[in-house]
Order: sequence, then C-alpha cells, then structure tokens
Amino acid sequence: DGGITQSPKYLFRKEGQNVTLSCEQNLNHDAMYWYRQDPGQGLRLIYYSQIVNDFQKGDIAEGYSVSREKKESFPLTVTSAQKNPTAFYLCASSWGTGNTEAFFGQGTRLTVV
Amino acid sequence: KNEVEQSPQNLTAQEGEFITINCSYSVGISALHWLQQHPGGGIVSLFMLSSGKKKHGRLIATINIQEKHSSLHITASHPRDSAVYICAVATPLFSGGSQGNLIFGKGTKLSVKP
Repeated sequence: DGGITQSPKYLFRKEGQNVTLSCEQNLNHDAMYWYRQDPGQGLRLIYYSQIVNDFQKGDIAEGYSVSREKKESFPLTVTSAQKNPTAFYLCASSWGTGNTEAFFGQGTRLTVV
Repeated sequence: KNEVEQSPQNLTAQEGEFITINCSYSVGISALHWLQQHPGGGIVSLFMLSSGKKKHGRLIATINIQEKHSSLHITASHPRDSAVYICAVATPLFSGGSQGNLIFGKGTKLSVKP
C-alpha cells in the first residue's frame, strides 16, 4: 500500500537534547513538508522540500533542521535551540504544488520534559 | 487577522442532522483543501477543489472563488463523522513569501451524538 509513514507516534525527550522525527513516503512524490500543530492553532509550515537535496524554510524554521538525501525520506531534527518543542508534528507529501492532493502521515507527538 | 477563517470552531449535532462548516479566506489561491483529522491525529484529505462543487458519499464541498468562500456539508451525519475538519488554501508557491504550499485554518471540531 502506498502511503506516508511517520515514526514514532509518541516521543519523549529531555530538554536540551536533539531529536529526529522520521518521515517516509512510497508515493513517488517530489514534494514533502513538515508542519507543527499546537492546540487552538492551524498547522504551521516548518520546512518543505520540492526535490531531492533541496529544501526551504517555512514560517517557523528556527530551531529545526531537515535533510532530503532521498526522495522517499524527509527527516526533521528538533534541536536544543527550539524554545518550545513540545507539539504535534505532521509530515505531508504531494506531487509538487498546492494544486495537487496532499497526503499526511499519522503524526508524531513530541513531549520535552 | 488570519488568512483562513473557519466557522464554527465547535459544532455539536445529533445523528442524522445536516451539517455545514464554512471557510473564508483572504488570499489568492490556486486550490482549496478540506481535510479531516481524527482524535488520533492523522489527517486525511477529503477534497481538493478550485471551482464549483464536489461530492463524495455524504460529503459535499463547494467553493465560490469570487466571494473567497467554501463550505463543507455532511448529509445524514453519523457519530463516526466526529472529527476536526480543516480548511487549507494553496497559495502560489513562488509568491515571494515563505509559506510554501498550504495555509491552514484552525479547524472545526465536530461532535455527532447518537
């Protein structure tokens, strides 16, 4: 089955530690995205990538880093520089523009203690 | 002011009722998406539309580009429809901003009682 997989579903980390969230898709999509969701707010774009080895900052990129070494994979690292990392993180992919259907993963809930 | 506004924020309905969720936006768009988020957090795409109307089962989505408004209707609602419904608009990728692809509304939480 084609789809987009995020892991893990729940993640706990101590303050000051970097943590990497996984996102894999087998839909052959060129574009991949990371969003953050906080209670009472819409999803906000952290980073996006339209093609392998290229990615762009979104609205809230500070404290995050990404890589796109393979088409299928777009991992997100939450660094210790992110002031408020506890949130729900969603990965998505699409053929490449907003005019195409976006497919979302199941999300990762990160809690920093 | 948010660029994508949804109403209502919360909606409680009895099973069988006809439900309408509204979405207004203030930016130029290339498409509008309706998404469904279940309590576990995963999001499913329901519709993507740029004009007119689309229907899938008991769900109907309409858009009026001139008025910058879209509605999602659910006919004969059922408790399994309980979820958060999110409207998202697609802005042109190279519009000069950093928003990339989609701008999301805050969602409408729907609860359908049996």
